[in-house]
Amino acid sequence: GESVGLHLPTLSVQEGDNSIINCAYSNSASDYFIWYKQESGKGPQFIIDIRSNMDKRQGQRVTVLLNKTVKHLSLQIAATQPGDSAVYFCAASDSWGKLQFGAGTQVVVTP
Amino acid sequence: NAGVTQTPKFQVLKTGQSMTLQCAQDMNHNSMYWYRQDPGMGLRLIYYSASEGTTDKGEVPNGYNVSRLNKREFSLRLESAAPSQTSVYFCASRVYSNQPQHFGDGTRLSIL
Repeated sequence: GESVGLHLPTLSVQEGDNSIINCAYSNSASDYFIWYKQESGKGPQFIIDIRSNMDKRQGQRVTVLLNKTVKHLSLQIAATQPGDSAVYFCAASDSWGKLQFGAGTQVVVTP
Repeated sequence: NAGVTQTPKFQVLKTGQSMTLQCAQDMNHNSMYWYRQDPGMGLRLIYYSASEGTTDKGEVPNGYNVSRLNKREFSLRLESAAPSQTSVYFCASRVYSNQPQHFGDGTRLSIL
């Protein structure tokens, strides 16, 4: 079956450094990918998305990279701030357009 | 902007009780979704409604039913609650496929 996985359950980052969160997906037919941020007690919040016809997309302090050859995407957060501490999820569309979510990576920003 | 609103925010039930979780969106989105989130796990799709008048099973539909009441509202019903249904339930909506889903803040449900 399809799976979306994250390489590290917890990522500890020093304030001001760049963060990189990785995600692997298994369905080669996936054509849409999203990153979400979830703070404690809240619902997932959309960060950035990318379609399969692109390999890079930038937002405010965030960049998503997509490598379709190895079925891998990453989220880069520049100049990580305490407010970036949260769980980050990647999601990939399945053959029917529904999203398959990974288990999440906890990002902890240390002073 | 309210976005996606879920009620209630918290609920405790006894095994065998029934209840309905409510979800409403004010973004004129076509598709709506119900997920459950268990500790250390990603979101798992319970049911979805691709458009008003349609509903389909997701990954974990057993023990649940849904109603797409109108374009704005999508409810999730537990007919006979079981401890295994203790979870956080999220509702989401999106305008159409390959667009971001927008989530509510969840209903935290405990079944004793």
